[in-house]
Amino acid sequence: DIVLTQTPLSLSVTPGQSASFSCKSSQSLLQSDGKTFLYWYLQKPGQSPQLLLFAVSSRFSGVPDRFSGSGSGTNFTLKISRVEAEDLGIYYCMQGIHLPYTFGQGTKLEIK
Amino acid sequence: QVTLRESGPALVKPTQTLTLTCSFSGFSLSTNQMCVTWIRQPPGKPLECLARIDWNDDKYYSTSLKTRLTISKDTSRNQVVLTMTNMDPMDTATYYCARISGPNSGWGPDYWGPGTRVTVSS
Repeated sequence: DIVLTQTPLSLSVTPGQSASFSCKSSQSLLQSDGKTFLYWYLQKPGQSPQLLLFAVSSRFSGVPDRFSGSGSGTNFTLKISRVEAEDLGIYYCMQGIHLPYTFGQGTKLEIK
Repeated sequence: QVTLRESGPALVKPTQTLTLTCSFSGFSLSTNQMCVTWIRQPPGKPLECLARIDWNDDKYYSTSLKTRLTISKDTSRNQVVLTMTNMDPMDTATYYCARISGPNSGWGPDYWGPGTRVTVSS
């Protein structure tokens, strides 16, 4: 199975500042047709995960443009440009090029 | 409006078989490129994908758990059922089902149910 490693494990950010999350894959997530199967989810306390980004950088419906994704191959980054209090929770990256899906261990975002 | 809801026993004994049902609305599993997946989360731990079933009845299972898992669908009732045999206390977790709508979400789970908590204990 593909292993995803997320860093840091936790992050504490002041509202209005930016936050950056890293996800490294043990294998390339780039398919031969040019598509990359890397996703980002946010799990708020006591809630189900919610999809933020798919295909590295495409925002899911309703996701604010404060959230952006970048990267290729095996290295990916999620950035929040202006953190808000409602952004707290655990951020997971997930791969979908080889089923079953596998997730990183998560990065916990705390708001100062 | 897409909704999913998981149901099943809250408590099972070791060695028993767990049967979970995902009931959904707002989409059909007979529609091309629709899929449903089961994902679990042990307390305080990351997410783990268990199985996925596609509109064409293709099925995918966790590498480490595939001998214990069976996923099936009842398209007419808008339900997906997951069975897991030989339950162990390590299987204590919240179990989620989620929809995949093909390229609309890059083949990733987009809508999730609220989850159902399962405890394995004698």
